[in-house]
Amino acid sequence: EPEVTQTPSHQVTQMGQEVILRCVPISNHLYFYWYRQILGQKVEFLVSFYNNEISEKSEIFDDQFSVERPDGSNFTLKIRSTKLEDSAMYFCASRYEQGDTQYFGPGTRLTVL
Amino acid sequence: AQTVTQSQPEMSVQEAETVTLSCTYDTSENNYYLFWYKQPPSRQMILVIRQEAYKQQNATENRFSVNFQKAAKSFSLKISDSQLGDTAMYFCAFMPGSGGSNYKLTFGKGTLLTVNP
Repeated sequence: EPEVTQTPSHQVTQMGQEVILRCVPISNHLYFYWYRQILGQKVEFLVSFYNNEISEKSEIFDDQFSVERPDGSNFTLKIRSTKLEDSAMYFCASRYEQGDTQYFGPGTRLTVL
Repeated sequence: AQTVTQSQPEMSVQEAETVTLSCTYDTSENNYYLFWYKQPPSRQMILVIRQEAYKQQNATENRFSVNFQKAAKSFSLKISDSQLGDTAMYFCAFMPGSGGSNYKLTFGKGTLLTVNP
């Protein structure tokens, strides 16, 4: 069964460093998402991406964040200058068409020291 | 904006028993989707069940079923014959049925379910 994959599973970085989190959505899916979950809290929407552009972003998704689909398979989230409060689990999700279910990847745990 | 409320931060159940997790939501939309996701200790988000708001019939998936009350904006999850592997955090989530290409999920705070042997 096709699944969303994410790499790395765990990333440790120093405050101020740039990180890139990678996702490979399910191959025929058209809509892509990033969510964040700070430890012990609920899952929060960051950004949605369709047709090679951002379709919606949350207040969390400030200028330090960017997303890209550099080729036909990868979907990346970049944090330019990480802060301590960026420490969280980051989930990528994808879906095929209007109203369909979003399927989540296993997540990347980001730890900012 | 939509909100999702899970009023039970923690619940426990004995193996083989039945447990019901509560979820209420607030929306002005008429067309939408509701989901229950399971997050085990590995922290992966796993889809448990989904419900389309325009369907009156409650969704079922094996031991998992929902009680969808649209007028009351309630969407509870019933787990029958609980198993130790059901121990996880359960999140209720809402997705609008309109809104162009966005269709973002709004999650509740979750209910931590522990199944005891």
